[in-house]
Amino acid sequence: DAKTTQPPSMDCAEGRAANLPCNHSTISGNEYVYWYRQIHSQGPQYIIHGLKNNETNEMASLIITEDRKSSTLILPHATLRDTAVYYCIVRALYNTDKLIFGTGTRLQVFP
Amino acid sequence: DGGITQSPKYLFRKEGQNVTLSCEQNLNHDAMYWYRQDPGQGLRLIYYSQIVNDFQKGDIAEGYSVSREKKESFPLTVTSAQKNPTAFYLCASRASGVVSGTDTQYFGPGTRLTVL
Repeated sequence: DAKTTQPPSMDCAEGRAANLPCNHSTISGNEYVYWYRQIHSQGPQYIIHGLKNNETNEMASLIITEDRKSSTLILPHATLRDTAVYYCIVRALYNTDKLIFGTGTRLQVFP
Repeated sequence: DGGITQSPKYLFRKEGQNVTLSCEQNLNHDAMYWYRQDPGQGLRLIYYSQIVNDFQKGDIAEGYSVSREKKESFPLTVTSAQKNPTAFYLCASRASGVVSGTDTQYFGPGTRLTVL
């Protein structure tokens, strides 16, 4: 079972920031938060991951609360091509087990 | 151009036939994975391999077989024993290194298999 909870769907206007929340209240001290997205009929795409500090890369920013029980993925300027299902996953590094994808959040970016 | 390739993108087979899905990576990753995705559902692990000539069953290995003769290649065979083979199949490889602090799975574009 997924250890995360995400809203099933969200809308965002093109050019605006998309803020996708994720709850992971049972996260362990050695578990990281990973974000992937899946555009229709394509393989999941890695976005970003973090442990406790905020992270930023060319795709997005990840904000993790101080208690680490929730996080927010931020797409600063959403485009139509960002329309996808976004998955939040928690896992320990070097864990050989599978990635457990929950139901994710379907983000619809509209013009 | 580095990455993971899967071929073909769409595959059709008649019921009772075996079919092999290709997965190749030039990322020099040791570990590779096969997942299955059904409409509106998450990914389920079929098989994985952490090193050449070694592989382990995942959650739904029945009716599937794999081989790992080369680091770059991890083909999946869907046999006639698989009761519901129609699905979207995803291959992944994993970048992992204690020194670099990395541990991330990267996915190929997928193969959509339809059994007629």
